[in-house]
Amino acid sequence: DTAVSQTPKYLVTQMGNDKSIKCEQNLGHDTMYWYKQDSKKFLKIMFSYNNKELIINETVPNRFSPKSPDKAHLNLHINSLELGDSAVYFCASSLGPLVNEQFFGPGTRLTVL
Amino acid sequence: AQTVTQSQPEMSVQEAETVTLSCTYDTSESDYYLFWYKQPPSRQMILVIRQEAYKQQNATENRFSVNFQKAAKSFSLKISDSQLGDAAMYFCAYRLAGGTSYGKLTFGQGTILTVHP
Repeated sequence: DTAVSQTPKYLVTQMGNDKSIKCEQNLGHDTMYWYKQDSKKFLKIMFSYNNKELIINETVPNRFSPKSPDKAHLNLHINSLELGDSAVYFCASSLGPLVNEQFFGPGTRLTVL
Repeated sequence: AQTVTQSQPEMSVQEAETVTLSCTYDTSESDYYLFWYKQPPSRQMILVIRQEAYKQQNATENRFSVNFQKAAKSFSLKISDSQLGDAAMYFCAYRLAGGTSYGKLTFGQGTILTVHP
């Protein structure tokens, strides 16, 4: 059984489009995260939700909007996609915000043309 | 702000040999956690080992061990008896133990490890 899943795994789209990436975890965790890995492989946190409430909101363009409909899901919506948004986006989850281990999803490779 | 630095962009090792990956970090906090994550070509992020800053004893997980030097803010990963499956990008990461960081992981730039047969 997949612990943290993301759909789609690959996303190719044109500049200016709006797209969403979905994340689901079946671990019963309370906390979920979005990380961005850029072309140089650098990983940086974007957002975190705990019990559907936003607890981390790093300096991210407001074209990025996370949504957590329930504790098991954290989706990422991106408006007006730009070339610089091309990256791999990872979803992760943990039992709680201060619990050690974060379990990562397989990543979504977003390519903006 | 906390920063994590991995000064070795690439490392290589012969199968069955030992290799050490370096990591330094900068923080003014005393209570935190350090991690090594592995990212193979499949892209999946896998936790290799973690260290609690309040523990003096170095963490060990099978062939993986760390050398944690708190005063020097150094956290190196030693891989013994290297296997072909160890080939991956390795990331060092830091997390504050409490406060308002809420689990935020700060990553280093990564080290690509090549294992030669």
